[in-house]
Amino acid sequence: RKEVEQDPGPFNVPEGATVAFNCTYSNSASQSFFWYRQDCRKEPKLLMSVYSSGNEDGRFTAQLNRASQYISLLIRDSKLSDSATYLCVVTNNDMRFGAGTRLTVKP
Amino acid sequence: GEEVAQTPKHLVRGEGQKAKLYCAPIKGHSYVFWYQQVLKNEFKFLISFQNENVFDETGMPKERFSAKCLPNSPCSLEIQATKLEDSAVYFCASSRQGLNQPQHFGDGTRLSIL
Repeated sequence: RKEVEQDPGPFNVPEGATVAFNCTYSNSASQSFFWYRQDCRKEPKLLMSVYSSGNEDGRFTAQLNRASQYISLLIRDSKLSDSATYLCVVTNNDMRFGAGTRLTVKP
Repeated sequence: GEEVAQTPKHLVRGEGQKAKLYCAPIKGHSYVFWYQQVLKNEFKFLISFQNENVFDETGMPKERFSAKCLPNSPCSLEIQATKLEDSAVYFCASSRQGLNQPQHFGDGTRLSIL
């Protein structure tokens, strides 16, 4: 079993839709959690850190469920520019990346 | 600098040749990380440094791969006797204080082994 698992998608949604991604992790001792986005052939860029209490940044909401060992990312009112691969990242003594979830937002 | 700077952007080598990649972390960041991404697959962690000291090298192939971060020099990742399977994008990232802080990534070096 992979240490960090994500639904690879692709998710194809219309502009304005709400879309949610989940990510599960296997190491219960994991300490920090992040969502990154990666555009085609580019470097990953931090989207947001994920805090235990959940956190929101504009149209993006991240949540952490330690008991069930998953984190989620919710994107509201999706824009064309949200099209990217979303990477779930979990750290303990090292940093583990999920394989990414591909999102395409269509007009 | 304000960004992680990786050079070169592209590197082409014949099988069996040596490849050397460079990374200058963001000024003030103590930790440097190297990752390998083959095609669009998962990121594979290779090695991390805390300043010039190896912090974690559990992802480094034991043979052919080596890395250094020396004072006042860019960090480097070197691959000896390259193989076709080494073709990938190699990303460097830095963070201010280690794993529990976000990492900032460079643009990557695309290594093509022919």
